[in-house]
Order: sequence, then C-alpha cells, then structure tokens
Amino acid sequence: GAVVSQHPSRVICKSGTSVKIECRSLDFQATTMFWYRQFPKQSLMLMATSNEGSKATYEQGVEKDKFLINHASLTLSTLTVTSAHPEDSSFYICSASLFPGQLNTEAFFGQGTRLTVV
Amino acid sequence: DAKTTQPTSMDCAEGRAANLPCNHSTISGNEYVYWYRQIHSQGPQYIIHGLKNNETNEMASLIITEDRKSSTLILPHATLRDTAVYYCIVRSFSSNTGKLIFGQGTTLQVKP
Repeated sequence: GAVVSQHPSRVICKSGTSVKIECRSLDFQATTMFWYRQFPKQSLMLMATSNEGSKATYEQGVEKDKFLINHASLTLSTLTVTSAHPEDSSFYICSASLFPGQLNTEAFFGQGTRLTVV
Repeated sequence: DAKTTQPTSMDCAEGRAANLPCNHSTISGNEYVYWYRQIHSQGPQYIIHGLKNNETNEMASLIITEDRKSSTLILPHATLRDTAVYYCIVRSFSSNTGKLIFGQGTTLQVKP
C-alpha cells in the first residue's frame, strides 16, 4: 500500500518553544492530509484537514493559531505546535488518501510523532 | 457522520477466530464501513472496508448485515501480533474530504 511518513518520530522540547512535525506521502500525491492527536489511553481525535495550496480546515475547539498547518506541496504537510506547553504533550498522527474524494479508497497513516514538552 | 458502537474489550485464544462486532444503525446509503487497527504507539493500520457486500482480503473478512446496521470483522486465525485496538469507522464523504472519525474501538487481547 501507499506509504505516509512522519518526522520526527519522537521530540522533546522546552515549554514555550515551537515544534514542527512533517508528514510526507512517499509514493503518491496527496491534495488532502489529516492531522490527529491522541492522548494516552484515548482514541484519535481529528484536529484539522490540510489542503494543498489553501488554508487548513480546523475541527471545532482546535486553535488554529496554536497548531499551524502548512501544505505547500502535494507530498508534504507540516504541523507546527507553537509556544508548546506540557498539556500539548501527545501523540500526533497524520494520514492521507490516494483519492480523497472517492468513496472507495483507504487512508494511510504515518507512524506518529510523540511530542513531550518539558 | 454515522456513529459506531463497539465493545470496549475482547479476548481471543491464539489460533482461534476473532469476531469483532460493530453497530452502525444510522449509516447512510453511500457510507462505507472501514476497519483499522492500532498497535501500541504506532499509527493506525488499514484492515478492510466495504459498502454492503461481504469482503475478504489477506488480513480479514468483513461481514455486513443486509440492513447494513451492523458488521463483524473476522480475523480467521488470531496470533499474538493481532493484539491491538480495532476501530470500526463509518466514513462520510461530506465536503468531499473523506475524513475518518475514530470512536473508542475494541481492545482485542489475543492470549496464548
């Protein structure tokens, strides 16, 4: 199947700094990517939909100025956690589909990024 | 998006079939049922999906009831490596994005 890769897999940062997480579709072009956050022992929560060449669409309750999303190319979306605080510590996961507008196509997920803010 | 209901946890003996149920009584006619699983600290892995017919691939079988209000994922010969959280998702294509909304899933524990 198609491959979605995230970088870094783990990151530790100091409170108040910003952290950038990359999500790449390695063997296909993705006009749409999705960003999720997962806290321990909880399910994945959709944060935003990343659209190539346009603004991201954020889910209700997600601060767009806190979680900056840039989708500048068909194979790369980035999530920047700005002014990170310990409560932002979480597992961040991205996904992409080969054909997001089609009814019958699966989404592929990255391996996730474990963010720890100290 | 149609809501799904799954048991919180299930156990299965190694080598036996694991049958994971899912209720999705409010599913619409053009919505697909997708199954993913997540092994600890990894991204979700696609398993299978279907609309109304039963589906089978190298990983699992998906049985969807005729009224489409429920489905069952079958792992024919569970192994210890199948221990994971299994998510049943009804995929909506509103706004043409096809986003996946995850519920709480079923934690499957395969025991030796």
